[in-house]
Amino acid sequence: DGGITQSPKYLFRKEGQNVTLSCEQNLNHDAMYWYRQDPGQGLRLIYYSQIVNDFQKGDIAEGYSVSREKKESFPLTVTSAQKNPTAFYLCASSIGGEWETQYFGPGTRLLVL
Amino acid sequence: GENVEQHPSTLSVQEGDSAVIKCTYSDSASNYFPWYKQELGKRPQLIIDIRSNVGEKKDQRIAVTLNKTAKHFSLHITETQPEDSAVYFCAASGFSGNTPLVFGKGTRLSVIA
Repeated sequence: DGGITQSPKYLFRKEGQNVTLSCEQNLNHDAMYWYRQDPGQGLRLIYYSQIVNDFQKGDIAEGYSVSREKKESFPLTVTSAQKNPTAFYLCASSIGGEWETQYFGPGTRLLVL
Repeated sequence: GENVEQHPSTLSVQEGDSAVIKCTYSDSASNYFPWYKQELGKRPQLIIDIRSNVGEKKDQRIAVTLNKTAKHFSLHITETQPEDSAVYFCAASGFSGNTPLVFGKGTRLSVIA
């Protein structure tokens, strides 16, 4: 999982603002994922992508958007429609195919000003 | 879709004792069951996984058992050490291999020296 990077480590959002979280991997993995983690909660899936230029909504996609223009990159935008964005956001990747072992990035903590 | 229940939510053990965390899943088609360890503020890291064609797997002090009939799997940590203190997540592959991993809500393990 050293091959997955996320930036920034901390991000502050003002009300009404869209912010974008970066996720990059150099593992040549086909599949990438975004999770949201709240205190005391598990990992909730926001969006996932099996291949370039294709992605699917997860369980909590409302208020978020993604793109997958390159295999190594899967940025997540938290839009102003997401009313409670404060959370720890984790990006992951896997070889793909059978949805198996996922490797996680270090995470981005998003806080609202 | 798949649903994963994890128990207990918190677990305290004395150093040197064993710890057991249990998960149940709902989709009989699930075939991959990883366990992740997450230290405070860090990324989840894979510690062990098991596939549906195997009943048990060991790696030093860690073992995972799978009961496909009952649809549950367990993590066993023997000779616990303070550095085992963390949150542990189980997960199960989605139905028909077409959806990503579904995670349990986690177990906070505290090993008391």
